[in-house]
Amino acid sequence: DAKTTQPPSMDCAEGRAANLPCNHSTISGNEYVYWYRQIHSQGPQYIIHGLKNNETNEMASLIITEDRKSSTLILPHATLRDTAVYYCIVRVVIAAGNKLTFGGGTRVLVKP
Amino acid sequence: DAGVTQSPTHLIKTRGQQVTLRCSPKSGHDTVSWYQQALGQGPQFIFQYYEEEERQRGNFPDRFSGHQFPNYSSELNVNALWLGDSALYLCASSLFVNPEMNTEAFFGQGTRLTVV
Repeated sequence: DAKTTQPPSMDCAEGRAANLPCNHSTISGNEYVYWYRQIHSQGPQYIIHGLKNNETNEMASLIITEDRKSSTLILPHATLRDTAVYYCIVRVVIAAGNKLTFGGGTRVLVKP
Repeated sequence: DAGVTQSPTHLIKTRGQQVTLRCSPKSGHDTVSWYQQALGQGPQFIFQYYEEEERQRGNFPDRFSGHQFPNYSSELNVNALWLGDSALYLCASSLFVNPEMNTEAFFGQGTRLTVV
């Protein structure tokens, strides 16, 4: 499984953009980068995913470097409710769908 | 549209006992995966079920077993419980199209198992 490396924690000011980095230098050509977040004591919540191109949805933007060895999740206007652990995951294709290999994630604290 | 539902939400068991956890996938989903999340750690993949068969398994002993029913719901069984089995057990569902197709996984809220 391709490993991901994320900073263990980061703080962000409410209303500002939060930029969460992730390194995945051993990613294979057909593996996708997924981002999930987990708010305390809840199940992980899907945020966004991408292969090569930058992606944007109503929650966030995903910027993937041209060599695909790293990516950045951008929360454009962080709110207090965005406080959570954010997981960067490389999706491993297995027999029926996918297996998600979670690392330690980045604990994001949004401060007023 | 109901999301992934798990039952029970909390459970306390004694060492050596057996436990069964249940999961109903999101409507339209046919694949169910189970994860174990110890306190302070990320979820760890246990196994995945599709077409009522275990398709892939993580690094978990045979004490962990599962089942998928024709309606796509699933059960996770753990025998001979250890104290170390105390964790949040998460169920995730997705729709299988083909191995290359992106199918985001939706997670339930989990079952908090405490072994005493």
